[in-house]
Amino acid sequence: DIQMTQSPSSLSASVGHRVTITCRASQNISVYVNWYQQKPGKAPKLLIYAAVSLQSGVPSGFSGGGSGTDFSLTISSLQPEDFATYYCQQTYSIPFTFGPGTKVEIK
Amino acid sequence: QLQLQESGPGLVKPSETLSLTCTVSGGSIGSNSFYWDWIRQPPGNTLEWIGSIYYSGSTNYSPSLKSRVTISRDTSKNQFSLKLSSVTAADTAVYYCVRRMKVRSSLTAIDYWGQGALVTVSS
Repeated sequence: DIQMTQSPSSLSASVGHRVTITCRASQNISVYVNWYQQKPGKAPKLLIYAAVSLQSGVPSGFSGGGSGTDFSLTISSLQPEDFATYYCQQTYSIPFTFGPGTKVEIK
Repeated sequence: QLQLQESGPGLVKPSETLSLTCTVSGGSIGSNSFYWDWIRQPPGNTLEWIGSIYYSGSTNYSPSLKSRVTISRDTSKNQFSLKLSSVTAADTAVYYCVRRMKVRSSLTAIDYWGQGALVTVSS
């Protein structure tokens, strides 16, 4: 199985700040990475697919980067509604594995 | 607007079979280029991909669960289902049914999720 790791596991930040979350795959997965946002008690929501493409309806303050084994999710200016847990997922090979998540909290 | 809704028992006894059904509205599970997956999330934990059924009916399963999992579909009811046999407490989780779309070539992403169904394994 391809292992996905994320850092940090949690972070505290203020509204308006720029935040970057990183995700690393245990092998080269090209751009087969998606990013999801999950709020407590809710299903995840797709933010970024194919490493860099913004899902329709997602605010432009979210952006993705990377290829190969190292990927990033950046929130350019943190908004109150962005406080949530973020997961990366690889769809390069079965089983499609998720990272452990990064919890973004209010400072 | 596509909607997915999980249904099934919320409590299953150890060693028995967990059965869930996903009813899809606003779109057909027979539509080209879509996969219909099951994902689960144990309390306080990350997400785990269980398996999928393609619009054509072909299936794929996570190797770690393959011996216990069956995913099937009923196109006349626009539903797909999950069966997980010989459950233990480790199978306690919120189970999500989802649609996974083809972005391009073999690149896929989950664009629609059900609300999730908590299944507890306990005697």
